[in-house]
Amino acid sequence: AQSVTQLDSHVSVSEGTPVLLRCNYSSSYSPSLFWYVQHPNKGLQLLLKYTSAATLVKGINGFEAEFKKSETSFHLTKPSAHMSDAAEYFCVVSDGGFQKLVFGTGTRLLVSP
Amino acid sequence: DSGVTQTPKHLITATGQRVTLRCSPRSGDLSVYWYQQSLDQGLQFLIQYYNGEERAKGNILERFSAQQFPDLHSELNLSSLELGDSALYFCASSAGTSGARWEQYFGPGTRLTVT
Repeated sequence: AQSVTQLDSHVSVSEGTPVLLRCNYSSSYSPSLFWYVQHPNKGLQLLLKYTSAATLVKGINGFEAEFKKSETSFHLTKPSAHMSDAAEYFCVVSDGGFQKLVFGTGTRLLVSP
Repeated sequence: DSGVTQTPKHLITATGQRVTLRCSPRSGDLSVYWYQQSLDQGLQFLIQYYNGEERAKGNILERFSAQQFPDLHSELNLSSLELGDSALYFCASSAGTSGARWEQYFGPGTRLTVT
C-alpha cells in the first residue's frame, strides 16, 4: 500500500531564509505525489504535483519539489520564506486509478520575523 | 476561494445523534470526495462519488453514509455519533476521476463537535 512519511512535525525558519520540508514515500506503483498547504481555519490548497513528467516540479508561491526515485523522496523547498508561508504542509501520494489520496501527518511551518 | 462550498461551518451535537453535512462542488466538477481530519487519525479519505455513483471507499465507518444527488451536490450522513467522531470534515471536488490528472479542490470544512 502507498504511504508517505513526513520527517518533521515542525520546522521553524526566519523570514528570508530557505525552507526545506522533507517527505519520503512508499508505493508499489509509479506514484503521483503532491504537496498541499492548509492555512489556519482554511481548506487545503494544492501547491504542486508530480505525475511522472519532469522530476523537478515548480508550484505556486515560489515552492518547488524534486522527485528522487533512488531516495524515494519528494522534498518541498522554497529559497526564501515569507511570513505568509506559515501553515501546515501535507505530502500526499496517489497511485492513480480512482485517485485515492493518502496524506502524510503534516509539517507545521513556523516563520519568524 | 476554491469554489467548493460546505455547510454548516460548525456543528455541535450530542452523542447518539445524527447529522448531515452538505457539499456543493465546483461548477462542472463531477467527482466529490469526503475526508475526515482529526488529531489522532490525521487526514483520511472517506468516500468518493462520481456523477452520482459511489466510486471508491476509504476508512468510512458503517455508521457513516454519503450520497451524491442529480445536481451533483453531496451529503455525508453521520449517525449514532460518538465523541471520537469530533473532527473537521472536508469535501473536495474534481473534474474527473481517473489517474492523478485531476486536481482536487477542497472546501473550507465543517467542524463537528460531539459532546
